[in-house]
Amino acid sequence: GQQVMQIPQYQHVQEGEDFTTYCNSSTTLSNIQWYKQRPGGHPVFLIQLVKSGEVKKQKRLTFQFGEAKKNSSLHITATQTTDVGTYFCAPSTNFGNEKLTFGTGTRLTIIP
Amino acid sequence: KAGVTQTPRYLIKTRGQQVTLSCSPISGHRSVSWYQQTPGQGLQFLFEYFSETQRNKGNFPGRFSGRQFSNSRSEMNVSTLELGDSALYLCASSLLGTLEQYFGPGTRLTVT
Repeated sequence: GQQVMQIPQYQHVQEGEDFTTYCNSSTTLSNIQWYKQRPGGHPVFLIQLVKSGEVKKQKRLTFQFGEAKKNSSLHITATQTTDVGTYFCAPSTNFGNEKLTFGTGTRLTIIP
Repeated sequence: KAGVTQTPRYLIKTRGQQVTLSCSPISGHRSVSWYQQTPGQGLQFLFEYFSETQRNKGNFPGRFSGRQFSNSRSEMNVSTLELGDSALYLCASSLLGTLEQYFGPGTRLTVT
């Protein structure tokens, strides 16, 4: 079955530094989603990537989908305290199948 | 539009009891999924319902069950509670044909 590894598990950065989390799958994906969960909150949808090599930006966030559609990354430039939370990837191997498998998440903490 | 609502928000039960959690999806969303979130296991898919039918099921024992009503509201039931069932139970709704999940605030279940 599909195995998803998300690294790192934890990341502590100084405010203003960059941050990257990676999601790696053992199988080719049809698409991948990213979610953010603030402490004490619930996951919130950030973005969905579908195409091989796709790159999407949301302000300071850059999302990439690998050429082989087996990995993805989320990069945050110049982190701010509002970026604190856990970032989950949710890859899917079957478009239209609502059975999402979430990665283990990367918990980001910011040192002011 | 109102977001996904879940009731109750907090619940304390003792081992052996059963519990029913409720979820009201976003208006117009007919797909409802349930997830269990624990520090050790992360976010795990329980099941997904559409038009009162279970379309997908995760790897959980038969003690976990759910249903969906004609108005798309959903309930999940856990019978014979075990200490390991203590978790945050999240409900998410989505539009058919999309994977973007809108999560509710969750129900925090504590089993003592």
